[in-house]
Amino acid sequence: DQQVKQNSPSLSVQEGRISILNCDYTNSMFDYFLWYKKYPAEGPTFLISISSIKDKNEDGRFTVFLNKSAKHLSLHIVPSQPGDSAVYFCAASPVGGGAGSYQLTFGKGTKLSVIP
Amino acid sequence: NAGVTQTPKFRVLKTGQSMTLLCAQDMNHEYMYWYRQDPGMGLRLIHYSVGEGTTAKGEVPDGYNVSRLKKQNFLLGLESAAPSQTSVYFCASKSVITYEQYFGPGTRLTVT
Repeated sequence: DQQVKQNSPSLSVQEGRISILNCDYTNSMFDYFLWYKKYPAEGPTFLISISSIKDKNEDGRFTVFLNKSAKHLSLHIVPSQPGDSAVYFCAASPVGGGAGSYQLTFGKGTKLSVIP
Repeated sequence: NAGVTQTPKFRVLKTGQSMTLLCAQDMNHEYMYWYRQDPGMGLRLIHYSVGEGTTAKGEVPDGYNVSRLKKQNFLLGLESAAPSQTSVYFCASKSVITYEQYFGPGTRLTVT
């Protein structure tokens, strides 16, 4: 049972345009969400996160939106650049104590290609 | 400050052989994790540790063992490698007060 879903395995966007990567989750206990970026032959790197008390978090060209009622979040990259071409993973964590809050549940990733 | 490092970067094993992957972090993080990444499967948690001397099973623990004898090191062992364990293995660590995990560069393991 996939608790974090990234339904688009790949996405192609023209340089300068907006990239929108989507993520859905099913576990109501998830309360903190993160996006990671991964280049080939490297480890994932943390990109941006959002707590469920917010519906938007912005960091430069990257903005994450959270719709808690729909259990949906999205990552917007504006403007997209060729260097943004990578695999993007959505991850979720429950808040509170207990072993579960130590863990992240990852989606399967979306490969973004930004075409010059 | 090297962050999270993994040794080795690449390894080829024959079925039945054993090996140990080493993860080291210099950020004084309490929590450490081992993941595997397979095509189309995302990152799956193998084992994790919430402190020195403690370990716990993740989503896909079968065929692996771990040890955390020192806070900065987390070892992943394969006692009898199988072709199904061909994968890229990532180690990660995080502090107590944040959710963000920091990943190492990965170890690409092939079992023939």
